[in-house]
Amino acid sequence: DAGVIQSPRHEVTEMGQEVTLRCKPISGHDYLFWYRQTMMRGLELLIYFNNNVPIDDSGMPEDRFSAKMPNASFSTLKIQPSEPRDSAVYFCASNEQGRNQPQHFGDGTRLSIL
Amino acid sequence: AQKITQTQPGMFVQEKEAVTLDCTYDTSDPSYGLFWYKQPSSGEMIFLIYQGSYDQQNATEGRYSLNFQKARKSANLVISASQLGDSAMYFCAMRGGGGADGLTFGKGTHLIIQP
Repeated sequence: DAGVIQSPRHEVTEMGQEVTLRCKPISGHDYLFWYRQTMMRGLELLIYFNNNVPIDDSGMPEDRFSAKMPNASFSTLKIQPSEPRDSAVYFCASNEQGRNQPQHFGDGTRLSIL
Repeated sequence: AQKITQTQPGMFVQEKEAVTLDCTYDTSDPSYGLFWYKQPSSGEMIFLIYQGSYDQQNATEGRYSLNFQKARKSANLVISASQLGDSAMYFCAMRGGGGADGLTFGKGTHLIIQP
């Protein structure tokens, strides 16, 4: 089975540009999560969806960040305008219904804002 | 608020020895789940093992086992017969608390297996 697929794997862009990260969850998974990993703050939950509906976006750093899930097989995380402090690895994860179900992570997008 | 503490930033272990990675947690929710993930230098996050707060038995998955001590709020990962390929970052994480489904992660332990 295909795992969680993220694109692009690497993104380098200049400050002020719009950045869009993409994620395809595992088919049949009801939950989708976006995490950010930095050396300073570790792994942080940004937002998660259940059945395509955003449930908790309290981890989204500021209004420059937005996330959508238009259907069960696709989600985007957008940063506009981007800033150097947004540089991080962004992970998407998904899991089946059930609190004991493990989250399966994509390979991440390494984002560098110059 | 939930919190995960991993007190070992780094560990060096000889190949074939057993390894214990420490994890303590804090939550006021009686229902929660504890997870361990491995992150090799290539960067992906690999799920290793899960323990539910109401599980009576300690979880095991191959060479991985979880030493769950609920009263102490600890969930240590034990790797038996370590291998060179076990060298990686290891993260303890918790899900729970008011129905929240996102994971709260610890800072991680960098494990290096020496030949």
